[in-house]
Amino acid sequence: KAGVTQTPRYLIKTRGQQVTLSCSPISGHRSVSWYQQTPGQGLQFLFEYFSETQRNKGNFPGRFSGRQFSNSRSEMNVSTLELGDSALYLCASSLIGQGENIQYFGAGTRLSVL
Amino acid sequence: QKEVEQNSGPLSVPEGAIASLNCTYSDRGSQSFFWYRQYSGKSPELIMFIYSNGDKEDGRFTAQLNKASQYVSLLIRDSQPSDSATYLCAVTHVSNYQLIWGAGTKLIIKP
Repeated sequence: KAGVTQTPRYLIKTRGQQVTLSCSPISGHRSVSWYQQTPGQGLQFLFEYFSETQRNKGNFPGRFSGRQFSNSRSEMNVSTLELGDSALYLCASSLIGQGENIQYFGAGTRLSVL
Repeated sequence: QKEVEQNSGPLSVPEGAIASLNCTYSDRGSQSFFWYRQYSGKSPELIMFIYSNGDKEDGRFTAQLNKASQYVSLLIRDSQPSDSATYLCAVTHVSNYQLIWGAGTKLIIKP
C-alpha cells in the first residue's frame, strides 16, 4: 500500500511569488493535515481537511490556503511568499477523521524562499 | 500556556541504557496520546499510541500514561545509536480530535 506522497520534494522561490504544494494521502484516508516545520521548531499546524471541507485551522495568515478534492488529494497554496516561509511543509493523512486520528506523514516539501 | 510540553533536551543516554522521555499536557479531556520519532531532515514516524492509563509495550518501547497527573512518557530499553532522534509527543484534543503537538525532545545515544 502506497504511503503519503508529497510533490514536489524541493522548491526554490523568490519573495512575492506564490507556490502550490500537493499531497496524495494513503488510499482510503479521508483526512489530510498540513504542517510547517522550521529548523529547531516543532510542528506548526496549518489546517486539516476532511471530505473536502476545512475542519480545523491553525494561526497562520490568510496567505496560506488549502483545498481538498473529491479523491482526498489535497493542495496548499502560499501567496506572496516571504523569507520566513522557508520551511519543511509536511502533509499527514489519517484513516479515521475523528477518534484515534493516527496520522501518517509524507516525506515533506522543502521550500526555500530567496 | 503551552498545551503539550516536552523538555527540548538534548537528552544524552549511554548505549544500552534506558532512555526516558516525558510529556505533560494541560487538557484533562485529552483522549489519545502518540509518540513519533523524527530523524534529522526526515518526516515524523509513529512509534506508539496509548489511550488507557497504564503501560503499553511494543518491543523495546514502553508508553506510560497517567491521566490523573496528566503526563505520558516513553521508555526505550537497550538504547541504540539508531534511536538518536527527536521524539514528538502528540495529544488528541477532546473537542475536535485535532492533534496537539509538543516541541519535541532531542535524544542522543552515546556509543
